[in-house]
Amino acid sequence: EAGVTQSPTHLIKTRGQQATLRCSPISGHTSVYWYQQALGLGLQFLLWYDEGEERNRGNFPPRFSGRQFPNYSSELNVNALELEDSALYLCASSSGTGGSSTDTQYFGPGTRLTVL
Amino acid sequence: KNEVEQSPQNLTAQEGEFITINCSYSVGISALHWLQQHPGGGIVSLFMLSSGKKKHGRLIATINIQEKHSSLHITASHPRDSAVYICAVARNNDMRFGAGTRLTVKP
Repeated sequence: EAGVTQSPTHLIKTRGQQATLRCSPISGHTSVYWYQQALGLGLQFLLWYDEGEERNRGNFPPRFSGRQFPNYSSELNVNALELEDSALYLCASSSGTGGSSTDTQYFGPGTRLTVL
Repeated sequence: KNEVEQSPQNLTAQEGEFITINCSYSVGISALHWLQQHPGGGIVSLFMLSSGKKKHGRLIATINIQEKHSSLHITASHPRDSAVYICAVARNNDMRFGAGTRLTVKP
């Protein structure tokens, strides 16, 4: 069974540009989570999508947005990139609808975004 | 003060040693997760706990809800256990993460 996949592996952008990151969950999983891991800051929760709906978002500005498609894959969009957006962005998926309170999450390999 | 505190930050052990990593949290939670992150970034979910104790192979995780504390134990440690171990607490469908414990197991 294929795991969670993310693309691209690496992404280099300049300040002010937009970045789009993609995630395909494990087959059968309906929930997708996005996390940011910036150097020195540790992991932070960004967004949770389930059944096409945004269920929760972390403490990030509105220029971080995303969506979930009917096939449960997901996109994370970061507008007006700032230098501090440079980080590893991790996607995870789960089969339940209870979120992080009840469901084990399976992580993708991440997309490393560098903003110059 | 962070909501999730891990100790120690760094840990070096000899192969075969018994390892304990601790996690304390200050908020009410619905579940606690232990994650393993290898160099390069890949993360594996090890355990999800809401009470008691879980065991998987050489790994054991315990949680004391009243004391707001969890421990991850590794028995008979091996160099392949070298990784960063991260504690995360789930509340209100949000996840808050500890800073991680970097474990190095020497042969």
